[in-house]
Amino acid sequence: AQTVTQSQPEMSVQEAETVTLSCTYDTSESDYYLFWYKQPPSRQMILVIRQEAYKQQNATENRFSVNFQKAAKSFSLKISDSQLGDAAMYFCAYRSPYSGGGADGLTFGKGTHLIIQP
Amino acid sequence: DTAVSQTPKYLVTQMGNDKSIKCEQNLGHDTMYWYKQDSKKFLKIMFSYNNKELIINETVPNRFSPKSPDKAHLNLHINSLELGDSAVYFCASSQVGVSYNEQFFGPGTRLTVL
Repeated sequence: AQTVTQSQPEMSVQEAETVTLSCTYDTSESDYYLFWYKQPPSRQMILVIRQEAYKQQNATENRFSVNFQKAAKSFSLKISDSQLGDAAMYFCAYRSPYSGGGADGLTFGKGTHLIIQP
Repeated sequence: DTAVSQTPKYLVTQMGNDKSIKCEQNLGHDTMYWYKQDSKKFLKIMFSYNNKELIINETVPNRFSPKSPDKAHLNLHINSLELGDSAVYFCASSQVGVSYNEQFFGPGTRLTVL
């Protein structure tokens, strides 16, 4: 079974600064998908960014980018120019490739609580 | 337009009762899921279901059962509620086979068992 580890229960950053959230995972599969989800106090789960394991290029979405290191099984999230609205829980998630029989759910890390200091 | 909706958003009930949480998606997806988020915010898959297969996480007690009247709905039934069932329950949906199989989440249902 796959596992996802987020080693930082809480991170704090000054507004407009850059912060990196770490995520490592354990898998024996060669192809898979990785995601970062944001959960603000409203508790809605919002997809921030996604990465396919076979793509070497790191995904980028505006101020959000990832550093995907497949050999190290690491998938960190970098938030540039942090804004007050970025304050939330951030979850790293893993999904196996669709194998045809059924659909596997996401395996989540325990989350990192991001605090933005004004 | 809400893509994935859940009712109710809050549910408070007594131990031992039976309750249901409804989930509907209007995205035309073929697969739906239930996740449980505990008091420490840890999210764990409970079920995934499409028209071919129900996959049950082995740690889920058999007091929990998903019921799908049609492709757009996956309701969660819970029998003999226990204090430990208090959590936020999220429904999600996706279209399997599409790149990323991105899952869209509902707003969550906070269940409190007294």
